[in-house]
Amino acid sequence: ETGVTQSPTHLIKTRGQQVTLRCSSQSGHNTVSWYQQALGQGPQFIFQYYREEENGRGNFPPRFSGLQFPNYSSELNVNALELDDSALYLCASSYPSASSYNEQFFGPGTRLTVL
Amino acid sequence: KQEVTQIPAALSVPEGENLVLNCSFTDSAIYNLQWFRQDPGKGLTSLLLIQSSQREQTSGRLNASLDKSSGRSTLYIAASQPGDSATYLCAVSPHNTNAGKSTFGDGTTLTVKP
Repeated sequence: ETGVTQSPTHLIKTRGQQVTLRCSSQSGHNTVSWYQQALGQGPQFIFQYYREEENGRGNFPPRFSGLQFPNYSSELNVNALELDDSALYLCASSYPSASSYNEQFFGPGTRLTVL
Repeated sequence: KQEVTQIPAALSVPEGENLVLNCSFTDSAIYNLQWFRQDPGKGLTSLLLIQSSQREQTSGRLNASLDKSSGRSTLYIAASQPGDSATYLCAVSPHNTNAGKSTFGDGTTLTVKP
């Protein structure tokens, strides 16, 4: 059973550019959530995908968008990058069930630096 | 709006000491509470999950408790070791939703000195 993987590991972009981050969920998991973690802070919920549909969104502007594919992998897209978008982006997968209690498993993250 | 607070923000202890990390949340309507460990620049490793109807969970030297009515959880680490040095985060998930949508605290950074 493979865990949650994310790519790329690190990324450097300039203001105004667009970026795509990728996440492969743990085998058997159909739910993916994305979080942004600024330095020294806890992760902030961006949005969640459940069976290819967006299932909740945090307080992030529309230039943050996402997709989930039939194999439950997911992408996070950020347009018109701003300096404040520099952060560690974390992906978490889970399988909602009575026995799992919706436990989340996180990937290693993608470190995005915007110059 | 759910808010999660972790106190203290940083903690330094000598090896072998038992310690308690605290987590408080403002809205008691939670589905679960999860404790994570994060090493610098890395992802989150799940340590313990407590479902809302449970009072505590144990794994090895770790014990987590939950008092939903008072909005508090504690993570007890017994016989601390230098390898326990990391940031510990707690997260609560709202009631009756699919997974994710968690609200995190800002963490407690633990240093265990040899």
